[in-house]
Amino acid sequence: DIQMTQSPSSLSASVGDRVTITCRASQTISTFLNWYQQKPGKAPNLLIYAASTLQSGVPSRFSGSGSGTDFTLIISSLQPEDFATYYCQQSLKTPRTFGQGTKVEIK
Amino acid sequence: QVQLQESGPGLVKPSETLSLTCTVSGGSISSYYWSWIRQPPGKGLEWIGCIHYSGSTDYDPSLKSRVTISVDTSKNQFSLTLSSVTAADTAVYYCARRSRSGTYYFFDYWGQGTLVTVSS
Repeated sequence: DIQMTQSPSSLSASVGDRVTITCRASQTISTFLNWYQQKPGKAPNLLIYAASTLQSGVPSRFSGSGSGTDFTLIISSLQPEDFATYYCQQSLKTPRTFGQGTKVEIK
Repeated sequence: QVQLQESGPGLVKPSETLSLTCTVSGGSISSYYWSWIRQPPGKGLEWIGCIHYSGSTDYDPSLKSRVTISVDTSKNQFSLTLSSVTAADTAVYYCARRSRSGTYYFFDYWGQGTLVTVSS
């Protein structure tokens, strides 16, 4: 299985901050990498697919980059509604594996 | 707007079989893969498996011996059965649509999730 490792596991930030979350795959996955946002008690919501393509309707303050084994999700200016847990997920091979999540909390 | 809704028992006894159904509305179940994903309380997301509307399936190898996913296109539903459950199978179970853009796959529509507790 391809293992996905996110860092940090949690972070505290203020509204307006630039936030960076990283995801590392245990083997190369090209750009077969998706990012999801999950709020408490809710289903995950797709933010980015193919490492850098913004899903329709997702604010442009979210961006993704990377290829191979190292990927980054950036929130350019954190908004109150962005406090949530973020997951990366590889879509190259079965089983489709997720990172353990990064919880973004209010400082 | 596509909507997915999970249904099924919220409590299952150890060693018994968990059965859930996902009903798709606002769109046809045809032309897509449909997935089950679970999330143990306070933990991360685990992909269980998926099914194409044609009936082709793909499962997580670690669960394959206990999992069956089936589809009923006439009802716009797909289902999950997980046998011989233990407490480790306690989780929120989500159904989701797997979409494609070129060669890239992603889960773009999700059900609200249903908590299944395994306990006697």
